[in-house]
Amino acid sequence: DIQMTQSPSTLSASVGDRVTITCRASQSISSWLAWYQQKPGKAPKLLIYKASSLESGVPSRFSGSGSGTEFTLTISSLQPDDSATYYCQQYNSYWTFGQGTKVEIK
Amino acid sequence: QVQLEESGGGVVQPGRSLRLSCAASGFTFNTYGMHWVRQAPGKGLEWVAVISYDGSNKYYADSVKGRFTISRDNSKNTLYLQMNSLRAEDTAVYYCAKSARLLEWFGNWFDPWGQGTLVTVSS
Repeated sequence: DIQMTQSPSTLSASVGDRVTITCRASQSISSWLAWYQQKPGKAPKLLIYKASSLESGVPSRFSGSGSGTEFTLTISSLQPDDSATYYCQQYNSYWTFGQGTKVEIK
Repeated sequence: QVQLEESGGGVVQPGRSLRLSCAASGFTFNTYGMHWVRQAPGKGLEWVAVISYDGSNKYYADSVKGRFTISRDNSKNTLYLQMNSLRAEDTAVYYCAKSARLLEWFGNWFDPWGQGTLVTVSS
């Protein structure tokens, strides 16, 4: 099974800050990685697929990069609406999620 | 627009059964694979099961294999999850999710997700 590890588990940043979340896979998954945003009591929402492709309608301040085993989600200028938990997901072999990163606004 | 609406959740005793449903609309249901994903209270996301667009292929997480069965009725645009021999650790919000790409039920991300239905296994 492919394990996904996200870091940090929680981060606190100010509006306008650049924020980076890292996701590491236990083995190479090429670019078969997605990122989701989940707000409390809501379903996850797709942000990024194939490691760096931005889903239609998602603000351009979100970007993804990486391949192989190391990936990042970057929010270029943090906004109040970005307060949420973010999950990475590999879909190279079945489906596995990272444990999540909670982003808080200072 | 694409809509997925889960139902069937509730409180059930350990060892009992429950069937979840996911009603789909806004897309050609019989051309997309479908998934169930769960989230225990305060925890992360766990993939549970997938079914191909025509129902001919099904795969399960080890944690539910042999106890849960995924199925679909393409004439009713509905996905199901039959859950037997339920355990306390099955307590979670269960989401249905659509495979993102037409006919490619494997090697796909999920988009969109339903709003979820809560299953509580407790005596």
